Amino acid sequence: QKEVEQDPGPLSVPEGAIVSLNCTYSNSAFQYFMWYRQYSRKGPELLMYTYSSGNKEDGRFTAQVDKSSKYISLFIRDSQPSDSATYLCAMSGEGNNNDMRFGAGTRLTVKP
Amino acid sequence: NAGVTQTPKFRILKIGQSMTLQCTQDMNHNYMYWYRQDPGMGLKLIYYSVGAGITDKGEVPNGYNVSRSTTEDFPLRLELAAPSQTSVYFCASSRQGSSPLHFGNGTRLTVT
Repeated sequence: QKEVEQDPGPLSVPEGAIVSLNCTYSNSAFQYFMWYRQYSRKGPELLMYTYSSGNKEDGRFTAQVDKSSKYISLFIRDSQPSDSATYLCAMSGEGNNNDMRFGAGTRLTVKP
Repeated sequence: NAGVTQTPKFRILKIGQSMTLQCTQDMNHNYMYWYRQDPGMGLKLIYYSVGAGITDKGEVPNGYNVSRSTTEDFPLRLELAAPSQTSVYFCASSRQGSSPLHFGNGTRLTVT
């Protein structure tokens, strides 16, 4: 069993739709949770960074963490074609990047 | 600001050849990392460095070597290339060990 599981998709939605992306994990020591966006042929860029359980909102993006279920989500409201990318979840234990684990990524396409 | 710059962008190697992947950052970050990204797999940490002169192994270090003589540069060396090293390699940096990662745009390596 992988430490971090993420549905690879692909996921295709119409413009304006609400998108839900999810990851599950097995290591209860994870406390820091991140979402990265990766455009084709580019490096990942940080979207959201949260600590422990709860919600965090930034514009059209909302990150949710449920540590009791070992489940994290990223919601994208009013999705745009420019949101078309691969979304990677990532998590670490003590906030040390050297023990960070990444999901395989979900490929999202938003159609105009 | 250039951020994290990786060269070359693409490279094809024959089995047994050697090469160095270059990485430089202009953000004065102490922490630097090398990851590989394979289809269907999350990013895997190869090596990392917490400052000039200090390096340590990550999750998948076999077949690779690194050095860190300056804050800016963190080259990754492949001594005897093998087909299993065909991958996309990303260099990243962070201000502190728990700060968000800044990624370069990757080097796409094929070993045949």
